[in-house]
Amino acid sequence: GALVYQYPRRTICKSGTSMRMECQAVGFQATSVAWYRQSPQKTFELIALSTVNSAIKYEQNFTQEKFPISHPNLSFSSMTVLNAYLEDRGLYLCGARDRGGGAETLYFGSGTRLTVL
Amino acid sequence: QQQVRQSPQSLTVWEGETTILNCSYEDSTFDYFPWYRQFPGKSPALLIAISLVSNKKEDGRFTIFFNKREKKLSLHITDSQPGDSATYFCAASEGGFASALTFGSGTKVIVLP
Repeated sequence: GALVYQYPRRTICKSGTSMRMECQAVGFQATSVAWYRQSPQKTFELIALSTVNSAIKYEQNFTQEKFPISHPNLSFSSMTVLNAYLEDRGLYLCGARDRGGGAETLYFGSGTRLTVL
Repeated sequence: QQQVRQSPQSLTVWEGETTILNCSYEDSTFDYFPWYRQFPGKSPALLIAISLVSNKKEDGRFTIFFNKREKKLSLHITDSQPGDSATYFCAASEGGFASALTFGSGTKVIVLP
C-alpha cells in the first residue's frame, strides 16, 4: 500500500533556532507534495506546494526564506523552519500525491508537532 | 479570504442521533471535496469524499449530500457513537496532481453516551 512516513513526530527547539522535517513516500511516486501547518485551535494552512521539475509555490504569508523546501526526487521531500519562534508552533503535515493521480490519491504523513521554547 | 467555510464550529449530540455538519465553498474551480477526521493529537485521516459528478456519496454511517448550485455540502453521521467524537474538516481542491487542498476551519463533534 501507499504510505507517507513523516519524521520526526515531535520536536522541541529553542526560539531562534531551526528544525527540519522530512517526508518519505513509500509504495508510490510523490509527484507533488504539499506542506501544511495547523496552528493551535486553527485549521490547516497551506504553506507551499512542490511539484517535481517545477518551481515551489508558496502561499501568502509563507516564504522560501522562512520555510525552505527540498523535493529532489519522487520519494522524498523536506521542509525546514528557520529561526523558529512561538508563532511557528503547531502541527506540520506533508501531503503527497501519486504520479498522475487525482485528488483522491493524496496521502498525508503522520505530522511533525513543533514546540518552540 | 476563507474559501471553504464550515458550520457549526462545535456540536454535541447524543449517542444514536444523526450528526449534521455543513460546508460551503466559493471557488467554482473546486471539483473534489474530501472530509477529514482528526482525533486529538493525531493527523487528519480521510473519511469520505465526493466529486462534482455526484450529488450523494455514502459509506456506512457517513453520507455526503452535495448541492452544486448553492456550493454547499453536508456530512451526515447516522447512529452517532462516542468514538465519532473528533474534529471534522471539509476540504476542497481543483483535482489533478498539481493542486493542494483548501481546508475549512473544522467542526468539533462531541457524542455523549
